[in-house]
Amino acid sequence: DIQMTQSPSSLSASAGDRVTITCRASQDIKNYLVWFQQKPGKAPKSLIYSASTLRSGVSSRFSGSGSGTDFTLTISSLQPEDFATYYCQQYSNYPLTFGGGTKVEIK
Amino acid sequence: EVELVESGGGLVQPGGSLSISCVASGLVLSNYWMSWVRQAPGKGLEWVANIKEDGSKQYYVDSAKARFTISRDNTKNSLYLQMNSLRAEDTAFYFCATGSNHLYWGRGTLVTVSS
Repeated sequence: DIQMTQSPSSLSASAGDRVTITCRASQDIKNYLVWFQQKPGKAPKSLIYSASTLRSGVSSRFSGSGSGTDFTLTISSLQPEDFATYYCQQYSNYPLTFGGGTKVEIK
Repeated sequence: EVELVESGGGLVQPGGSLSISCVASGLVLSNYWMSWVRQAPGKGLEWVANIKEDGSKQYYVDSAKARFTISRDNTKNSLYLQMNSLRAEDTAFYFCATGSNHLYWGRGTLVTVSS
């Protein structure tokens, strides 16, 4: 199975900060990576797929990069509505696997 | 607007069975692979199973193999998960989602396995 390791597991930041979350795959997944945002009590929301393609309707302050085994999600200027938990997921191989999540909290 | 609505969750005893459903609107289900993803309360996301557009292929996480069966009825725009031999560790919110990259999600249905 492909292990997805996210870091950090949590972070505290202020509105306006630039935030970067990393996701590392245990083997090459090319660009078969998606990023999700989840708020408490809600379903996950897809932000970015194919590692760097912004989903329609998602703010351009979100961006994704990387290929192979190392990936990043960047929020260019954190907004109040961005405080949430973020997950990466690979869809290169079965079983599909998620990272452990990164909780972004208000400083 | 795309909407996925899960139903059928509830309380079941260890060793019992439960079937949950997902009905889609705003999209033609037969155009999509479909997945079930679960999340234990306060924990992370775990993919459970998915099924090809025509139902001819299914994949499962190891913990679900031989216990869970994913199926679909494209004429009803519906997806199903039959869960047998349920364990306490199967307690979770179960979400249906489209594709393998999980573009669209339902709101989930809670399955609680407890005596």
